[in-house]
Amino acid sequence: KAGVTQTPRYLIKTRGQQVTLSCSPISGHRSVSWYQQTPGQGLQFLFEYFSETQRNKGNFPGRFSGRQFSNSRSEMNVSTLELGDSALYLCASSPRLAGGFTDTQYFGPGTRLTVL
Amino acid sequence: DAKTTQPNSMESNEEEPVHLPCNHSTISGTDYIHWYRQLPSQGPEYVIHGLTSNVNNRMASLAIAEDRKSSTLILHRATLRDAAVYYCILPHSESSSYKLIFGSGTRLLVRP
Repeated sequence: KAGVTQTPRYLIKTRGQQVTLSCSPISGHRSVSWYQQTPGQGLQFLFEYFSETQRNKGNFPGRFSGRQFSNSRSEMNVSTLELGDSALYLCASSPRLAGGFTDTQYFGPGTRLTVL
Repeated sequence: DAKTTQPNSMESNEEEPVHLPCNHSTISGTDYIHWYRQLPSQGPEYVIHGLTSNVNNRMASLAIAEDRKSSTLILHRATLRDAAVYYCILPHSESSSYKLIFGSGTRLLVRP
């Protein structure tokens, strides 16, 4: 089974621009979560999508948004980029079984975003 | 959200066992204990999880204290490839939401 894929792998933008990152989950997985990783803050939860609905959102400004399509693929968008948005953005998919307590998340390789 | 505490770093020699500790004194009765690791330049990968009893899989073993306030990830024979940051996590799960709260983890250095 193919793993989680993220595109693009690397991206350079300038302040004020917007960016869209894409994530294709493992076939059959219905949940997609996004995380931001920076040297200073570590890995932080951004949001989770399940069945095309945002189920939870981390403590990030409204400039960060996302969506999930009917085939479970997901995109996240960051508008009005700031220097501090430079980070590794990780997508994880999960089968999201009943209860969720034993769910395993499978991470993609990430998209490295650099904001100049 | 329940919090975990891990040492910042640990060192081990190749082919020796490694015991990575984690404290989670505020764990609730329904919290599972998950371990993930992140190899250099990669996304995190799942290692193992458990609830009350010890667990084994092809990657590692998980020893859970009887009061569940601590656990230990055991790598039976460390290899250079095991050098990574190891995260002990209590996933937050509600009926409509699931998320992993990552701490700073333990950076494992494996010496040849």
